[in-house]
This record gives sequence, structure tokens and C-alpha cells, in this order.
Amino acid sequence: AQTVTQSQPEMSVQEAETVTLSCTYDTSESDYYLFWYKQPPSRQMILVIRQEAYKQQNATENRFSVNFQKAAKSFSLKISDSQLGDAAMYFCAYVTLSNTGKLIFGQGTTLQVKP
Amino acid sequence: KAGVTQTPRYLIKTRGQQVTLSCSPISGHRSVSWYQQTPGQGLQFLFEYFSETQRNKGNFPGRFSGRQFSNSRSEMNVSTLELGDSALYLCASSLAWGVSYEQYFGPGTRLTVT
Repeated sequence: AQTVTQSQPEMSVQEAETVTLSCTYDTSESDYYLFWYKQPPSRQMILVIRQEAYKQQNATENRFSVNFQKAAKSFSLKISDSQLGDAAMYFCAYVTLSNTGKLIFGQGTTLQVKP
Repeated sequence: KAGVTQTPRYLIKTRGQQVTLSCSPISGHRSVSWYQQTPGQGLQFLFEYFSETQRNKGNFPGRFSGRQFSNSRSEMNVSTLELGDSALYLCASSLAWGVSYEQYFGPGTRLTVT
């Protein structure tokens, strides 16, 4: 079955601190891409970071980085120096190369950033 | 480049009516995917169109349909609306070739069925 599990429905972090959001996924395919998306309240879904499964090196985008463990099918997102604008729902998702138009999403983690 | 646009942004319909939602992808993107977002079910894939052909379809009843035009713009239609169809409908576009498979989302259409 193709599933994505985000075990933390809600998380909070102090401004300027670091937080890690967890994600595990399940697919029988070997070629896929993983993503983290951010959806602020009543606002548009934004791509935060992507990771190609064939790459061992973890992706980074400014304050955002991932810890990709392919064997464990784990894909966590680390946000460093958290800012108030980081408050949002975060979704972990993937597509397989056999089905590139279909993103499989987790249920999301709501991140609260405290000033 | 302009982002993905969706019209209308908000819609209120009555049970039994039908509705058409529109999506214009990012220029150059040939793949358009549609998703339904609800608090209970989360984000669920409806279908994907690529070069005017439906490439994949999710587990939704036949009341949900779509199409894509030669300029890559896409529409989705829901016939005989039910209360449970109330949701945020998201459209996303993608290059969908080479090494670029990330999807970029529009702001969504909030559909309320009464």
C-alpha cells in the first residue's frame, strides 16, 4: 500500500529554535521523489523542499533540511532558527516515477511557533 | 512566471446541482493534477491530466470528471452535488518530465454544498 505517516499531529517550537517533523512512507517502488509542503492558514500550499530517492545526500534549502533514510523509509524535516512565518500545516508527500502526477500525502503536522 | 490560478475561489452550490472548476497551470507545465482537501480525509488525489489525456484517476465516483485543453488549462466537473463534496479543491501543475516532478499548487476553490 502507498501510505505516508506523520505521527505528530501538532508540534510547537520557540522562535529561533530548531524543530524536526517526522514522516515515514511506504512504497514498493524504487524510483520516487519526496517532498515537504507548507500550507499556512487559509493560504496557498507551498513547496518547501524535495529529495530524489536515488540521491544519498540530504537536501537543504536555507533553514530547511531533511534527514532521508531510504532503508527505513523515513523523511524528516528540520527547521532551524524558526520564525513566526513558519507557522503552518506541513505535509510530507511523494510521487513515484510510474505515477508522477499522483502525490501521496500524509495527514499533516500543524506547527505552532511561539514568540 | 505567473503561478497556478484557479477560478472561482469560492463557490456555494445546492445539493443536486453541478459545478465546474477551472485551473490554469504555470506556463510550460503540461501536467495538471486535482486534489480534494477535507478536514476528515486530508488530501486525496482526484485525477491527473497530461497533454489532454487523463493519465491517472483516484478513487472517486464517476460524478467527478475532468478534462484538459490544448493550452494545458484544465477543468473539473462535479455532477449531482452531495453535502460531502464540500471541500477545498486544489489544482497543481508540474513539468512532469526529466528530473522535475514537483507539483506547484494553486490557491484552491472552496466549494460549499448546502
